[in-house]
Amino acid sequence: DSGVTQTPKHLITATGQRVTLRCSPRSGDLSVYWYQQSLDQGLQFLIQYYNGEERAKGNILERFSAQQFPDLHSELNLSSLELGDSALYFCASSVDFGETQYFGPGTRLLVL
Amino acid sequence: GESVGLHLPTLSVQEGDNSIINCAYSNSASDYFIWYKQESGKGPQFIIDIRSNMDKRQGQRVTVLLNKTVKHLSLQIAATQPGDSAVYFCAESIRQGGKLIFGQGTELSVKP
Repeated sequence: DSGVTQTPKHLITATGQRVTLRCSPRSGDLSVYWYQQSLDQGLQFLIQYYNGEERAKGNILERFSAQQFPDLHSELNLSSLELGDSALYFCASSVDFGETQYFGPGTRLLVL
Repeated sequence: GESVGLHLPTLSVQEGDNSIINCAYSNSASDYFIWYKQESGKGPQFIIDIRSNMDKRQGQRVTVLLNKTVKHLSLQIAATQPGDSAVYFCAESIRQGGKLIFGQGTELSVKP
């Protein structure tokens, strides 16, 4: 157990819908990262937050957004969902940016 | 562009043998490298990391070697066990940046 928690574990929804994925980092970690894992793209970095502020952006679609709250938990919002958004979404956290990232168990999203 | 690649997509070894998983990286500015193990249905699990000022680092039954001259990274697992069966990912980052760039992964299968 890495200490990073993610909810929900599974999510099934329809195209065009909007979902919110939640992540709680390890105690004491200030930085949160979101990654997408799909069969054809592998593990791809989406976005990073540090102590509530956006720190870095990767290949994140405009339909996706995220935020980190004062209690350091983070949410990833996915809207106007498409079939291709079906994937595993992982959250990771680290004490500081550049330090070891520990991953949560992931949320498996299926868009029908 | 930046990429991390793996030489072998699959590796099958006999229980008790040593395993070597290889990885090539292309960004000479990367200064932090990390290996993760991912079992089916779970998030990536940290195994070992190494910074660019080192050539070798040892953990429990695992050793990571870094050859900056040829931009090559390897993970050695001693006395491989059935529980080591998983997909192994190498990842690189620039420490100040924090985001990880993952390789495609190598599936390790351990035969009893």
